[in-house]
Amino acid sequence: DGGITQSPKYLFRKEGQNVTLSCEQNLNHDAMYWYRQDPGQGLRLIYYSQIVNDFQKGDIAEGYSVSREKKESFPLTVTSAQKNPTAFYLCASRVGTGGNEKLFFGSGTQLSVL
Amino acid sequence: DAKTTQPNSMESNEEEPVHLPCNHSTISGTDYIHWYRQLPSQGPEYVIHGLTSNVNNRMASLAIAEDRKSSTLILHRATLRDAAVYYCILMNRDDKIIFGKGTRLHILP
Repeated sequence: DGGITQSPKYLFRKEGQNVTLSCEQNLNHDAMYWYRQDPGQGLRLIYYSQIVNDFQKGDIAEGYSVSREKKESFPLTVTSAQKNPTAFYLCASRVGTGGNEKLFFGSGTQLSVL
Repeated sequence: DAKTTQPNSMESNEEEPVHLPCNHSTISGTDYIHWYRQLPSQGPEYVIHGLTSNVNNRMASLAIAEDRKSSTLILHRATLRDAAVYYCILMNRDDKIIFGKGTRLHILP
């Protein structure tokens, strides 16, 4: 089945540690996104990428980094500079960059600090 | 900032229609109106989208005001499984897709 796979489902980070969240899609979509969701809140945009080897900062990029070396993969690294990383992280993709394409989401990764 | 505003929460009785409003007064001519819903601990899922005309699909209907400054998502017969957070967002060629806080819909049995 085509879709977006996020892993792991749950992740724990120790103080000062970098962790990487995986996002893989087999939909052949060009654009990919990372969002952060805090309890009871909406989605906030961290980073997005329109094509391979290109990405832009969203509204809350500080303390995060991404790469887009392959079309199907858009991993997110939560660095030690992100002081409050506990949140639900969602990855999404869409086939193009017009307004008529649906967004497809993964099932999310819950990150917690030990 | 989100380009749309929605009520924080709404309640409806099971098996009755639900009308979820969304205001987007600064919408541009190329913005599509999209609706997504999110169940607890899951990623959002697509519900419906449109540009100018009203749209229907198996999940819902989308009514778009003539001036396009507001829209309404219509669930024709709510079930307990429709309890979720519903997001109204605008999408165009700008890749910076911004979500607001959405409307939390409670369904009363």
